[in-house]
Formats: sequence, C-alpha cells, structure tokens
Amino acid sequence: AQSVSQHNHHVILSEAASLELGCNYSYGGTVNLFWYVQYPGQHLQLLLKYFSGDPLVKGIKGFEAEFIKSKFSFNLRKPSVQWSDTAEYFCAVEENYGQNFVFGPGTRLSVLP
Amino acid sequence: DAGVIQSPRHEVTEMGQEVTLRCKPISGHDYLFWYRQTMMRGLELLIYFNNNVPIDDSGMPEDRFSAKMPNASFSTLKIQPSEPRDSAVYFCASSSTRRVRGTNEQFFGPGTRLTVL
Repeated sequence: AQSVSQHNHHVILSEAASLELGCNYSYGGTVNLFWYVQYPGQHLQLLLKYFSGDPLVKGIKGFEAEFIKSKFSFNLRKPSVQWSDTAEYFCAVEENYGQNFVFGPGTRLSVLP
Repeated sequence: DAGVIQSPRHEVTEMGQEVTLRCKPISGHDYLFWYRQTMMRGLELLIYFNNNVPIDDSGMPEDRFSAKMPNASFSTLKIQPSEPRDSAVYFCASSSTRRVRGTNEQFFGPGTRLTVL
C-alpha cells in the first residue's frame, strides 16, 4: 500500500525565516501531488498541486514545492514565513487516474512573531 | 458553488446516543470522502464513495460506524451508540475524477466537531 511520510511533526520558526517541509511517498508509478494547509480551527485548503510539467510548482501565499521523482519527494518551501503561516500542513499523494488518495500525518508549523 | 456543506457544525451528545453527521458534496463531484481528525491520530480516512457506491470502508473503526450515500448530493455518517473516544472533528470532502489529469483535488467541508460526554 502506498504511504506518505512527512519528516517533521512540529516545526518552530521565527518570522522571516525560510521554511522547508519534507514529504516522501512510496508509490512507484505516476502520481499527482498536493499540499494542503489547515489554519487553526479551520478545514483543509489546497495550497498547491502538481500533475505534470515543470516540477517546481508555485502555490498561493508565496509557497512553492518541488517534485523530485528520483527521490519520491515533494518538499514544500517558502523563503520567508509570516506569523499568519502558523498552521498544519499536509502532503497528499494520489495514484494517477485513481482515487487512492493518501494524506501524510501532517506537520505543525508555529511561527513566532 | 457553496462548496462542501456539512451539518451540524458542532454536536455535543451523551455516551450511548446515536449521532448522525450530514454532508452535501459539490454538485457534479462523483467522489465523496469521510475523514476523522484527532490530536492523537491526525487525519484518518474512514470511507469513500464513488457514484454513491462505497468503495473502501477499511478505515471505519468498528461496527458502530456506518455511512450511506442515498444520492449524489447527500451522505450521512452515523455512530450508534456513540462513545467518548469518538470525540473528534469529522470532515467530508468531495472530488471529481475525469480522464484528463489535473482535476482530482479534494475539496473539504468545514467539519463537524463532535463531543461525546
């Protein structure tokens, strides 16, 4: 069965620090990749997604993610975080043309003002 | 579109009572998912439907949980009898799968926060 791992359970940063959240998956075939964000007390919202083409994907609020097929990774990055980025971040992977949609365990990001 | 609609937003009940959570997916979406989120276990997929048919219910924790989708615009998740350990936020999500890639993201509802006393 496919699995998704996220390297860090909880990340604490100061404002303006750079962010990189790791995501790795186990499926060897073609995949669709997603990052979702869940702000405190809210539901999950899509940050960005990769389906094909340029492996560097830009999303909302200055986030980007890079798909590295050889490493089965889809890491999320932001050059300078803000206090409002405090949230939980979920990586998700879907097998292409299927609905085997698997979420990672999530990484909680706390940005200190 | 109003997005995925869930009701109620909050539910407080006593142990042993029946609880029914409701979800209306986005119109035209053919997949519907039920998730449970807790601090201890994170986000867990309970069950999902395709064209109103349950496809995978392996995440349903036990027989006290049941889910139905009588039509394309409505689904319920029922817990009977409820227990304190069922306290969690339950999310419903929907998606549309087509032959062309790029349309399979899941859209989440606001969730139902269930507290079982």
